[in-house]
Amino acid sequence: DAKTTQPTSMDCAEGRAANLPCNHSTISGNEYVYWYRQIHSQGPQYIIHGLKNNETNEMASLIITEDRKSSTLILPHATLRDTAVYYCIVRVYSNYQLIWGAGTKLIIKP
Amino acid sequence: ETGVTQTPRHLVMGMTNKKSLKCEQHLGHNAMYWYKQSAKKPLELMFVYSLEERVENNSVPSRFSPECPNSSHLFLHLHTLQPEDSALYLCASSQELGDEQFFGPGTRLTVL
Repeated sequence: DAKTTQPTSMDCAEGRAANLPCNHSTISGNEYVYWYRQIHSQGPQYIIHGLKNNETNEMASLIITEDRKSSTLILPHATLRDTAVYYCIVRVYSNYQLIWGAGTKLIIKP
Repeated sequence: ETGVTQTPRHLVMGMTNKKSLKCEQHLGHNAMYWYKQSAKKPLELMFVYSLEERVENNSVPSRFSPECPNSSHLFLHLHTLQPEDSALYLCASSQELGDEQFFGPGTRLTVL
């Protein structure tokens, strides 16, 4: 599976949109982009995934560039409870192996 | 109960003890997973089960022994562990292999 690169940490003000970038320049045509987050001392939580088109659900939006070499997870109105480590993972859909990196530590500030 | 539950949430054991971690999923999923998360390290996949059959054993030492009696339950039996086995042990499930995984809260294990 392709390797991803994320910033180590980011801050965002409460109520503002949090935009988390991810680079995956070696992504293959059949690899999806997945986002999970892990709040301190809890299990990871699935957020969203996509292949080519932008996706939105009740938690977040996923914007994938046209060349698919990067993507951005958007939390539209960040709250303090969104403080967590966010993981960007790319994988072939049928491959259950998730390659976890260090993720981005997002801190939401009041 | 909903989602994926794990018991106990915290466990302290000596190196000569035998203990078991339990995971239960209430989602009707067919695949279950054990992960290990050590401090400052990424999650590591340990074992994978699909329809109660083990499909993955990622070079895990034999002191960790998984058991999947049915598609809703997964156990991790522990014996003669080492202090470096201290970690957060996470269970996950997915509808089928390859689908998005849903995680439990984890068991924080400390080996003295």
